[in-house]
Amino acid sequence: DIQMTQSPSSVSASIGDRVTITCRASQGIGTWLAWYQQTPGKAPKLLIYGASSLQSGIPSRFSGSGSETDFTLTISSLQPEDFATYYCQQVNSFPITFGQGTRLEIK
Amino acid sequence: EVQMLESGGGLVQPGGSLRLSCAASGFTFSTYAMSWVRQAPGKGLEWISSISGSGRHTYSADSVKGRFTISRDNSRNTLYLQMNSLRAEDAAVYYCAKGTYCGDNCFSFFDYWGQGILVTVSS
Repeated sequence: DIQMTQSPSSVSASIGDRVTITCRASQGIGTWLAWYQQTPGKAPKLLIYGASSLQSGIPSRFSGSGSETDFTLTISSLQPEDFATYYCQQVNSFPITFGQGTRLEIK
Repeated sequence: EVQMLESGGGLVQPGGSLRLSCAASGFTFSTYAMSWVRQAPGKGLEWISSISGSGRHTYSADSVKGRFTISRDNSRNTLYLQMNSLRAEDAAVYYCAKGTYCGDNCFSFFDYWGQGILVTVSS
């Protein structure tokens, strides 16, 4: 199974800050990686797919990069609605696996 | 507008069974792979099972293999998860999720999710 490891597990930041979350795969997955945002009590929302493609309707302050084993999600200027938990996911092979999540909190 | 609505959750005793349904609308259901993902209280996301658009290809996590069965009825635009031999550790919110298109036996990212349905396993 491919293990997905996110860091940090939690981060505190302020409105307007730039934040970067990393995700490492235990083996190469090409660009078969997605990022999701989840707020409490809600379903996850797809932000980034194919490692760097922005899902329709997602603000351009979100961006993704990376390939094979190392990936990043960057939020360029934090807005109040961005405080949530973020998950990476690999779909390169079954079983599909998610990272453990990164909780983004208000400082 | 894409919509997916899960139903069939609730309280069940250990060893019992439940069948979850996910009624989909707003897209050509038979074209897309569908999946189930669960989230235990306070925990992260866990992929459970996926099925191709045709229904011919299915994959499941080891944690549920032999106990849970994914299926679909393309004439009813509905996805199912039959859950047998339920355990306390199966208690979670269960989400159905639509895959982005990439061919029949091809499974990709999850672009739409249902609102989730709670399954509680307790005596």
